[in-house]
Amino acid sequence: DGGITQSPKYLFRKEGQNVTLSCEQNLNHDAMYWYRQDPGQGLRLIYYSQIVNDFQKGDIAEGYSVSREKKESFPLTVTSAQKNPTAFYLCATGTSGQETQYFGPGTRLLVL
Amino acid sequence: KNQVEQSPQSLIILEGKNCTLQCNYTVSPFSNLRWYKQDTGRGPVSLTIMTFSENTKSNRRYTATLDADTKQSSLHITASQLSDSASYICVVSATGTGGFKTIFGAGTRLFVKA
Repeated sequence: DGGITQSPKYLFRKEGQNVTLSCEQNLNHDAMYWYRQDPGQGLRLIYYSQIVNDFQKGDIAEGYSVSREKKESFPLTVTSAQKNPTAFYLCATGTSGQETQYFGPGTRLLVL
Repeated sequence: KNQVEQSPQSLIILEGKNCTLQCNYTVSPFSNLRWYKQDTGRGPVSLTIMTFSENTKSNRRYTATLDADTKQSSLHITASQLSDSASYICVVSATGTGGFKTIFGAGTRLFVKA
């Protein structure tokens, strides 16, 4: 946790809705990442950003979108195109490349 | 295919006992291997990070080993405490012409009983 804030802790979404998960950091890290965690599976990378105004797709980017307008913020939008959005979403930051990543407390998204 | 396999899937031990968790990987070219601890409903916290040349690294009661030849790592927990109950995740990073890639294991769920 530390200097990474994710909100809300729990989020409920109706089918067909877009929702945005917040991730804010005060660690002055250049790199930020979004992961999805499902039971019994390893974390899977959705999107990552190594610098402001630039981001790259991860392994499971379909149905998600991000922006990186500020160094401190990397919001993730789960769109209606994501057919199975129920999961635990983790934001992480890092200083460079793939060194140790620091994780936020996570947001649990549930589809009603 | 880049993969990280962890065993056992879950483990129950008595408080005060030691235990060892295993991680086998096929990720290449290898860059580093990390162990994280994740409490239920929380984000993972880094325990150790090892590069190719490191065989052992300790962090308090946690000792990680790495055998880059056999592509195996272990995390040994000494004198377990109730607070050690968590998931332990092995993470391997590769670096190549396509840039960095990080592969997460599914984790070992450890339960420490009083």
